[in-house]
Parts: sequence; structure tokens; C-alpha cells
Amino acid sequence: QVQLVQSGAEVKKPGASVRVSCKVSGYSLSDVSMHWVRQAPGKGLEWMGGFDLDDAETVYAREFQGRVTMTEDTSTNTAYMELRSLRSEDTAVYFCASAVEFSSYLDVWGQGTTVTVSS
Amino acid sequence: DIQMTQSPSSLSASVGDRVTITCRASQSINNYLNWYQQKPGKAPKLLIYAASTLQSGVPSRFSGSGSGTAYTLSISSLQPDDFATYYCQQSYNTPLAFGQGTKVEFK
Repeated sequence: QVQLVQSGAEVKKPGASVRVSCKVSGYSLSDVSMHWVRQAPGKGLEWMGGFDLDDAETVYAREFQGRVTMTEDTSTNTAYMELRSLRSEDTAVYFCASAVEFSSYLDVWGQGTTVTVSS
Repeated sequence: DIQMTQSPSSLSASVGDRVTITCRASQSINNYLNWYQQKPGKAPKLLIYAASTLQSGVPSRFSGSGSGTAYTLSISSLQPDDFATYYCQQSYNTPLAFGQGTKVEFK
């Protein structure tokens, strides 16, 4: 069964970093393009970035460049998203989602990880 | 960057109604248009990809159409399980932008 299972909720102070994990089961992480999407409370979906299989590089949304790093550990079939210099506006649910290729639909989603940034 | 605009932002409908949601891109996206359904507290669920292809397991009352910059999601006969928020998303180029969402509420 194809599944993405994310790590648990986090509470962080402004200026801190957070790392969210996304464990893949049912297929190999190296065979898909993994993306990250976030959703602030009561707001819409915001694409943060994803891995381009063809170019073997991660593409980040301009808004997050320099502050986010997305990595993959193929030995454990786990993807990670680290967001640094957190501010209150980063309070959101963070989703991982996979696609068969970079410019494609997101057909498998993790359950979401709530990140709360508060002093 | 390509901007995605959905309309309406919300709508009220009854069970059995036909519902249509529109999504417009700021430039042609060559049918790289996907639709998702999201219920409160849940992850989005893929409904339709490539503008008109129904994802496996999605009821046939959902359909998608369009080309160029204008796309629609239709629900032929609204069911109780369909009350949710719907998002379009372009996957033509980066950033892979979503529309702002359309909330379908019970009338």
C-alpha cells in the first residue's frame, strides 16, 4: 500500500528551525518526485518546492529560497523538509506529497504535520 | 509566475445540484491542470489530473474540462460527501501554484 507518514506536531520559538520527516512505504522514494506544500490556518495551499527527477535537483519556491532545505534519505525511504529562521507566519500544516514526475499531479499525500511558531 | 484564480470563492448548494467551479490561469498551461478536494483537518485528495482525467476511485459525477487558460470542475449531482473545499493547481511550470480554493457549503 502506497503511503506517506509524516512526523508529529512541533512547537517552535521564533528564529528556530524545524525539520519534518515523510516516510514513504509501498514504493521507492527515488522513483518519485517529492513535493512539500503548506497550509496556514484558514488559508489555501502553498507550494514550497519539489524534487525534479530529470534534473536531479530540488526546486524551491522563491518565497522560501535560502530558508528551506528539502532532502531525501533513500536508505530509509524518508524525505525531510527543514525550515529555518521561523516566524509566526510559518505556523501552518506542512504536507509532503509525491508525483510520478516533477511537472505532474500530486497523487499521494502525507497526513500533514502541524508546526506552531510562538514565543 | 503563473497566477491561478478560482471562482467562486464559495458557493451554497443542495444535494442533487449540479455544481461548476472555474479556474483561470494567467497564461496558457497546456492542460497541466489538476483538481483536489480537501475536507477539514485532512490532506487534499486528487480528483482530476491533466484537466479531464479522473483519478482512479473518484466517482464519475466529477468531471473536468477546459484548455489554454480556462478550466472547469463539475459535479453532476452533489452528494453529502462532496461538501468540501476544492483547489485547482497548475503543474506546467514552477512555482506549481494552487488556486485560492472554492468552498462548497450546504444550502
